This record gives sequence, structure tokens and C-alpha cells, in this order.
Amino acid sequence: SQQGEEDPQALSIQEGENATMNCSYKTSINNLQWYRQNSGRGLVHLILIRSNEREKHSGRLRVTLDTSKKSSSLLITASRAADTASYFCATAGGGSNYKLTFGKGTLLTVNP
Amino acid sequence: NAGVTQTPKFQVLKTGQSMTLQCAQDMNHEYMSWYRQDPGMGLRLIHYSVGAGITDQGEVPNGYNVSRSTTEDFPLRLLSAAPSQTSVYFCASSYSGTIGEKLFFGSGTQLSVL
Repeated sequence: SQQGEEDPQALSIQEGENATMNCSYKTSINNLQWYRQNSGRGLVHLILIRSNEREKHSGRLRVTLDTSKKSSSLLITASRAADTASYFCATAGGGSNYKLTFGKGTLLTVNP
Repeated sequence: NAGVTQTPKFQVLKTGQSMTLQCAQDMNHEYMSWYRQDPGMGLRLIHYSVGAGITDQGEVPNGYNVSRSTTEDFPLRLLSAAPSQTSVYFCASSYSGTIGEKLFFGSGTQLSVL
């Protein structure tokens, strides 16, 4: 069963705008990761945030984590057409060292 | 490094046929896993391995077998293909599989079972 659930399911914006995607989860976690999947390709790791961290940055990406609300958000600033992809959150923890559980993803379309 | 390599990229099977999806990594990763991705379902873990000779079941293991005889290879076997196994299959690996490690994914195998 999915641990993380992304919201919205789909998001369409113009180039240069910011894109925000949210992820909610149900049980305690050790860390939360975000991945990107371009159409027809495998997933690529973007960023990892640990349960004792509240915010993390990587280039144009900003991730926040609120463990009290069991939620995370991914912000992509100054979006580009090349950011068009599906974005997945994945959670680790909840009793297993090895299983990374993925959500269903948010499809982001950045229009030029 | 080639990373995680999956073959074939596309495959069409008839119901009842068997086949093996190949996965190889050249990063000396101990942890390897198989996911399937279905529309609207995200990725679901089929089987995983934390080292040569060690495998375990994931969320949806029925109808699939795995073995891990070497660190580099982790093949996924479909014993008797069913239309419900039509999906995109991804192999992923990480250094040791402990909590906190990112996964490296292959480019996927698109399987259709008629």
C-alpha cells in the first residue's frame, strides 16, 4: 500500500513560475525523498530530507518536512520546460530498513 | 559506469509464457530491487535483495521469482505470465539498502501480456 500521497495529481504552469507539490504520509518515517521521472524513463533521485530536518535546498529545489502534520512539499522555483516530468515522494522507515514506498506522483507540465 | 542496466526494453508475451527480465549494475551496490509501475498506482515493490544469496518479498510478489547469485545481477522471472502483469518494470539499486540511501533506477522494461 502506498505510504505517500502527492497532491495535486497534475499541475500545469508557465515557464518562469514556481511549482509546488505536496506529499502526505501516514506512519512515522526515517526520511523522505523526492524523485523525478521524465516520460518513458526511470526515476532520478532529487533530494532527501531526514525526519529531524525541516527544510532543505538543492539548486532551484526547496523541500520542507512537517512531521507533526506528516507532510512534505517540493518547490521548484523559476520553472523551465525541461522540468516537465512526474514527481514522486518516497518514504523510508515505518519498521523496515529496506523498503522505500512511493506515492502515485504529480505530473508537472511547464508550458514555454 | 553504466549504472543500472535493464533488458529488454520492450517485451510482448502470451498468457502462460515465462520469461526473465534482466537487471545488472556496475556500482558494487549490495541492495537491488524490482518495482512495477501501473497507471494511477505509482511504484510497487515486488522483490528485493540485500546481498548475494539473500532475497525477500515486497508488496506484490505473487507470480514473480528472483534470485541473487552475484552482486551485479538480479533477474526477475515471470513463471506463467498473466494479463495482470502487463506493466512497466523498474530495477533499482543502492549501496547497502539501509534507511536514508537514494535509489538508482534503470530505464525500465515495458511488458505486455496478451
